[in-house]
Amino acid sequence: GQQVMQIPQYQHVQEGEDFTTYCNSSTTLSNIQWYKQRPGGHPVFLIQLVKSGEVKKQKRLTFQFGEAKKNSSLHITATQTTDVGTYFCAGPGNYGQNFVFGPGTRLSVLP
Amino acid sequence: EAGVAQSPRYKIIEKRQSVAFWCNPISGHATLYWYQQILGQGPKLLIQFQNNGVVDDSQLPKDRFSAERLKGVDSTLKIQPAKLEDSAVYLCASSSSTGTAYEQYFGPGTRLTVT
Repeated sequence: GQQVMQIPQYQHVQEGEDFTTYCNSSTTLSNIQWYKQRPGGHPVFLIQLVKSGEVKKQKRLTFQFGEAKKNSSLHITATQTTDVGTYFCAGPGNYGQNFVFGPGTRLSVLP
Repeated sequence: EAGVAQSPRYKIIEKRQSVAFWCNPISGHATLYWYQQILGQGPKLLIQFQNNGVVDDSQLPKDRFSAERLKGVDSTLKIQPAKLEDSAVYLCASSSSTGTAYEQYFGPGTRLTVT
């Protein structure tokens, strides 16, 4: 299965600042998923990207899938304290409906 | 719809003891996953079921871990005997086999501490 890396590992921002996390793979990904995990909580599905160059928006969140389908990004505009948590990308694993999670980017938002 | 249920929520055991975790997926979801999440890391897939058959158990330490999903619904994950490095949160997730977005719905997890 694929391995995905994420940068940065941690990010501290002031409330209202923007935030971006990047997910990278050495091989082409057929698709990629993003999850958010609040402190003490469980991962919650955010989105799945499939097409090369795809851009999807969910309110203040913008997700991109690279043209070569080897990288993806999640951008949050004007962060709020409710955005605190760890953001994981997940790439395809060994079998269908099987995903390998990245190490995550932990976001802290200072009020 | 009801979410993925897991029990117990917390478990503390001594090393070399055994422990079992239970998961009830979302009704109708054919695919069930067990993940191990060590503090500060991403979830690591242990085993994936499609109905009651195993799809992928390549990362399951089979000398001590076992899992079953006998009737294609509930599942149990067992560790016997436990080691200190098994301390982690064990997450169960399920997904539907229909469509192309294989969104995984996670349960609250079981936090295992091995002393």
